[in-house]
Amino acid sequence: DGGITQSPKYLFRKEGQNVTLSCEQNLNHDAMYWYRQDPGQGLRLIYYSQIVNDFQKGDIAEGYSVSREKKESFPLTVTSAQKNPTAFYLCASSMSGDGDTQYFGPGTRLTVL
Amino acid sequence: AQRVTQPEKLLSVFKGAPVELKCNYSYSGSPELFWYVQYSRQRLQLLLRHISRESIKGFTADLNKGETSFHLKKPFAQEEDSAMYYCALIIDRGSTLGRLYFGRGTQLTVWP
Repeated sequence: DGGITQSPKYLFRKEGQNVTLSCEQNLNHDAMYWYRQDPGQGLRLIYYSQIVNDFQKGDIAEGYSVSREKKESFPLTVTSAQKNPTAFYLCASSMSGDGDTQYFGPGTRLTVL
Repeated sequence: AQRVTQPEKLLSVFKGAPVELKCNYSYSGSPELFWYVQYSRQRLQLLLRHISRESIKGFTADLNKGETSFHLKKPFAQEEDSAMYYCALIIDRGSTLGRLYFGRGTQLTVWP
């Protein structure tokens, strides 16, 4: 379970502020993903990266940004443009982006006040 | 449009009863399907994938291409099976756009 970590577990921010969620993995996985989990909505893909220095938008990328400068790290920035940022955010990684099992982090609950 | 549909948001059964969690998909290519599970206070994790044709924790799932379904079944439910279950589909495997689509999930409760 320690292979993929997210920090912090809980995050509070004021409306209008950008905030960055951390995701790190030591599994030597090429692919990493960010999902948003809302009750009744399931998991919705925000961004994903199949290799370092490359990433693609998912289904709900508006108001979010990512970077993939290192293989082990895939930080997600929730910008002030995101209209409803309060949610539970899950990061995942997989050996490759080719249908391999995804391993999930413990999640970060972001609350915007 | 939803590529993966899980019609039941909530499902309750008694211990020892059979359970079936429904999953239908929309994809014209060769599908690859998965079931992921999230137990209370634990991380989301893979339960099984159809290409493995394995049984995990007594659960099985058969891909029915004619009905575009991948229902998860267990003949005798246990209390520890209570969890949120997600069905997932991969499309565009092998391309840079390859990714998983998740359903909205079914919360299974097994009563004692």
